[in-house]
Amino acid sequence: AQTVTQSQPEMSVQEAETVTLSCTYDTSENNYYLFWYKQPPSRQMILVIRQEAYKQQNATENRFSVNFQKAAKSFSLKISDSQLGDTAMYFCAFMKGVSNFGNEKLTFGTGTRLTIIP
Amino acid sequence: AAGVIQSPRHLIKEKRETATLKCYPIPRHDTVYWYQQGPGQDPQFLISFYEKMQSDKGSIPDRFSAQQFSDYHSELNMSSLELGDSALYFCASSFSGQGYSNQPQHFGDGTRLSIL
Repeated sequence: AQTVTQSQPEMSVQEAETVTLSCTYDTSENNYYLFWYKQPPSRQMILVIRQEAYKQQNATENRFSVNFQKAAKSFSLKISDSQLGDTAMYFCAFMKGVSNFGNEKLTFGTGTRLTIIP
Repeated sequence: AAGVIQSPRHLIKEKRETATLKCYPIPRHDTVYWYQQGPGQDPQFLISFYEKMQSDKGSIPDRFSAQQFSDYHSELNMSSLELGDSALYFCASSFSGQGYSNQPQHFGDGTRLSIL
């Protein structure tokens, strides 16, 4: 079974600063995918970024980027130029890969509550 | 773009009652997942369906059942409701057909179920 650990229950940062959220995972799988989801106070679950384990290049989406260290089983999220709208709970999630068709379930970490201070 | 639609948004029930939650996936998505998020918790996987067949099962109580219909919408049926069933229930969908494995899951806005 896979486990996902987020060791920072809460973080806060000034607007426009950069913040990094940590995530580690444990798996014996070689084919897997990692995600960061954002859950704002509205409680929606919004996909932020996706990383394929077979890719060495770190994924980026505008102000969001990841530092994927496969050997260390680490998957951190960096938010640059943080904005008030980034205030949310951030969940790291693991998905086992499949080879042909189909999709596996997501296993989530316990989340990091991020507050952007004006 | 069309998103995952869940209904109702809020539902209040009493203990021992039944509830039905509905999920309409993004058009052309063939896979539906149900997750339960308790207060202050991370989402926990309940069950998933691919092409109207159950594809995986997680920590879903025997009091709960679900199915996916011919139009790909899904319903989660909950009976003998308990106080501990109070949670946010998310439905997510993805397209998982041949050559399209490992796609991201897109979530609906959730149904908040409160048991009195």
